[in-house]
Amino acid sequence: QVQLQESGPGLVKPSQTLSLTCTVSGGSISSGGYYWSWIRQHPGKGLEWIGYNFYSGNTYYNPSLKSRITISVDTSKNQFSLKLNSVTAADTAVYYCATAPGYCSGGSCYGGVYFDYWGQGIVVTVSS
Amino acid sequence: QSVLAQPPSASGTPGQRVTISCSGSSSNIGSNTVNWYQQLPGTAPKLLTYSNDQRPSGVPERFSGSKSGTSASLAIGGLQSEDEADYYCAAWDDSLYGYVFGSGTKVTVL
Repeated sequence: QVQLQESGPGLVKPSQTLSLTCTVSGGSISSGGYYWSWIRQHPGKGLEWIGYNFYSGNTYYNPSLKSRITISVDTSKNQFSLKLNSVTAADTAVYYCATAPGYCSGGSCYGGVYFDYWGQGIVVTVSS
Repeated sequence: QSVLAQPPSASGTPGQRVTISCSGSSSNIGSNTVNWYQQLPGTAPKLLTYSNDQRPSGVPERFSGSKSGTSASLAIGGLQSEDEADYYCAAWDDSLYGYVFGSGTKVTVL
C-alpha cells in the first residue's frame, strides 16, 4: 500500500516560491501506474486540484494555476515535488499530495480521474 | 464558485438514509465518471466511491454512488455517527481540461 508524506516550510513570504515535497513509500514512482498529484484546501473551503505528473514527463495542471506551478518527480529519491511561484495570501492552504491511478501508452495518457491515496496534508501560510 | 454544485448541508438520525446530490454539466459529469470523497474533521480526504458506483476495498456497503445524465448522487444507508463529515463529488472537466471538485456537503448526524 502506497503511503505519502508531505514536507516543506510552513511559512512562505509573499512573492516567493512555495516548495513542497512528497515522499512515497510502499511503491516506486518509476514503476508507473500513477499520476503523482497535488491538491489544496483553503481554510474552511473545499478542495482544489493543482495538477499531476505521470513521471514520464506528462504533466497536467489546473489552468488557473498553470503559469505559476511545476510538478516534478525524482525517481532516485522516490519523491515528487510542487513549486508554486509568486505566492500571495490567497495561496494559504493545506496542501495534500495524492496518487491517481493511470497509465501512458503510445504518447497518450489515461486515467488520473480519482485519487486513491492521500498524504496527511501540510499547512502552508503565506505571510510576511 | 464550484463547477459541481452540492447542497451545503444534509442531516439525518442514526439508521436513516441520506442522499447527497451533485449537479454538473455535459463537460464534466455528463461525459466522465464521478467520484466521491469523505473528509472527516481534521483529516485528509478519503476516496469513498469511484467510476460512478465502485467502492474501494474497505469502504462499507452502506455508501453507494450513482450517476444519471449530468447529475450524480451519494447515498448513505443506515447513517452512523462516524459518518459525520464533509463529502465532495469530483470529476474531470473536458472544457476546463482539469479535475474539478464539488462545493462539498457537510453531513450531520442528529
